[in-house]
Amino acid sequence: AQSVTQLGSHVSVSEGALVLLRCNYSSSVPPYLFWYVQYPNQGLQLLLKYTTGATLVKGINGFEAEFKKSETSFHLTKPSAHMSDAAEYFCAVRGHPGGYQKVTFGIGTKLQVIP
Amino acid sequence: DSGVTQTPKHLITATGQRVTLRCSPRSGDLSVYWYQQSLDQGLQFLIQYYNGEERAKGNILERFSAQQFPDLHSELNLSSLELGDSALYFCASSADRDGDEQYFGPGTRLTVT
Repeated sequence: AQSVTQLGSHVSVSEGALVLLRCNYSSSVPPYLFWYVQYPNQGLQLLLKYTTGATLVKGINGFEAEFKKSETSFHLTKPSAHMSDAAEYFCAVRGHPGGYQKVTFGIGTKLQVIP
Repeated sequence: DSGVTQTPKHLITATGQRVTLRCSPRSGDLSVYWYQQSLDQGLQFLIQYYNGEERAKGNILERFSAQQFPDLHSELNLSSLELGDSALYFCASSADRDGDEQYFGPGTRLTVT
């Protein structure tokens, strides 16, 4: 079984402040981990993904995430928030290998950026 | 623009009715996924097709069915609609079977009255 828990359904940050969105995963096999972003009235878009190799993963729009196996975490960060970062962010996991497992999404975290 | 198209954009219908949602994947993508997004349930995986065959099933109700056609477009059929079926329905596609990079369409907003 696999799952992700996103801590905080709503997060507010000031423009220029650090963005930190938390994600913890559960997987019985080594995980592949993902962050997707959903802007208002749009579909989801892949921000970044971790499969194997380097545990610090850089994505689009200045976001990055670090895979920490000991903490079963994959938190998303950005050093300085922009107004355009206001969106909903979804963490997702897929256990690999161990046969086919679909990607499982978290409940989402809405990021508000305050001017 | 993800390259995934969904029609219609909005759909308003009455309880008990049947509707069909259509999805065209990105050119070359063989997998199609259907998701339901609602305020209380979040993003729920419904079903995946890969090259015309059903590959994975999620929380899809028996009143719902889907198929992927030889040209790879997909349709999601929702029947005996209930108020609780009101939601955003997303289609996504990926080049492979595992879905490690999914491209989402803009969604179809279904309102059941």
